[in-house]
Amino acid sequence: DAGVIQSPRHEVTEMGQEVTLRCKPISGHNSLFWYRQTMMRGLELLIYFNNNVPIDDSGMPEDRFSAKMPNASFSTLKIQPSEPRDSAVYFCASGGRTTYGYTFGSGTRLTVV
Amino acid sequence: AQRVTQPEKLLSVFKGAPVELKCNYSYSGSPELFWYVQYSRQRLQLLLRHISRESIKGFTADLNKGETSFHLKKPFAQEEDSAMYYCALSGGYQKVTFGTGTKLQVIP
Repeated sequence: DAGVIQSPRHEVTEMGQEVTLRCKPISGHNSLFWYRQTMMRGLELLIYFNNNVPIDDSGMPEDRFSAKMPNASFSTLKIQPSEPRDSAVYFCASGGRTTYGYTFGSGTRLTVV
Repeated sequence: AQRVTQPEKLLSVFKGAPVELKCNYSYSGSPELFWYVQYSRQRLQLLLRHISRESIKGFTADLNKGETSFHLKKPFAQEEDSAMYYCALSGGYQKVTFGTGTKLQVIP
């Protein structure tokens, strides 16, 4: 199993551009989480899905952020338009039964200039 | 609401000294609790989970429901233990809440 796969690993974009981050969860996992990590705020839960359905998106900072999970094997996090304060590492994680914990991807390091 | 509190942002200990990373939680039901570790610029990795009562890399954590705590302990710190440690709680709908993390710095 290749684990949770995120792409791209690094993204540098100009302010105002659209950014799309991608995540492929572990096969068979039914929950998927998007987190943002910064020095100032630590690890913040943005949104999570259960069986492809968004359960809680209260952590999504603004309408500029949107996330989709069209099927069990793929999710996207989109920022449109991007701003410098969006610069962070974005992690995707997936899980099955809660007692086994969650597996994180390697993250996407986003820099908005 | 579920909440995880890690009161220390940074914990510095000398190599060989005992380590205790504090974690307190707030949750009305029966939580699942975890510790994750993040080494420099790497992904978060599951370190241990309370339900398995295991010891990983010499670390243990006991769930104390009376004190609503899940402190992470190791009797003798090693330099390779230096990392960020996150306590996490899983409640309803598999929602996972992380604490703000504690940076452990082991001084040689």
